[in-house]
Amino acid sequence: GAVVSQHPSWVICKSGTSVKIECRSLDFQATTMFWYRQFPKQSLMLMATSNEGSKATYEQGVEKDKFLINHASLTLSTLTVTSAHPEDSSFYICSARAGGGAPNTGELFFGEGSRLTVL
Amino acid sequence: GESVGLHLPTLSVQEGDNSIINCAYSNSASDYFIWYKQESGKGPQFIIDIRSNMDKRQGQRVTVLLNKTVKHLSLQIAATQPGDSAVYFCAETWHNFNKFYFGSGTKLNVKP
Repeated sequence: GAVVSQHPSWVICKSGTSVKIECRSLDFQATTMFWYRQFPKQSLMLMATSNEGSKATYEQGVEKDKFLINHASLTLSTLTVTSAHPEDSSFYICSARAGGGAPNTGELFFGEGSRLTVL
Repeated sequence: GESVGLHLPTLSVQEGDNSIINCAYSNSASDYFIWYKQESGKGPQFIIDIRSNMDKRQGQRVTVLLNKTVKHLSLQIAATQPGDSAVYFCAETWHNFNKFYFGSGTKLNVKP
């Protein structure tokens, strides 16, 4: 199946700094990518939909100025957590869809996640 | 929405037994569902999907059942193996299958 890669897989930063997480589709072009956030022992919460060449659309309650999303190419979306605070510590997971239209089996592919710890 | 402050329910089964994991979804307009498996520290892996025009779909050792009347989804795993130990989530979507929303999840613990 298709591969989605995230980098870094693990990052620790100081409070007040910004952290960028990359999500790459390695063997397919992804017009749409999604960013999720997951707290320990909880489910994935959809944060935003990243669309290539246009602005991301954010879910209700997610601060767009806090979580900057850029989808500059068909294989790369980035999530930047700005002025990070300890409460931003979480597991961030991206997923990608190939092309458009109705999905076939397995068309939504997930990265391995990036664990952010803010001290 | 997000299940804030809740701990995942756990299902413990003996190796070789069948497992049934349940999920209640929220949107009556949802028309496509996927079950995902998530191992510790990793991203979700696709297991099986089902569209709303079906009530049952079978894969290899797994079966998904959909009851739209009560907005309920279940995942049946036959002859459960230790490698099946993970957290299982159902995800729902509607309207051109664009966004997927995840249920609260169940931790499956398989005892050897």
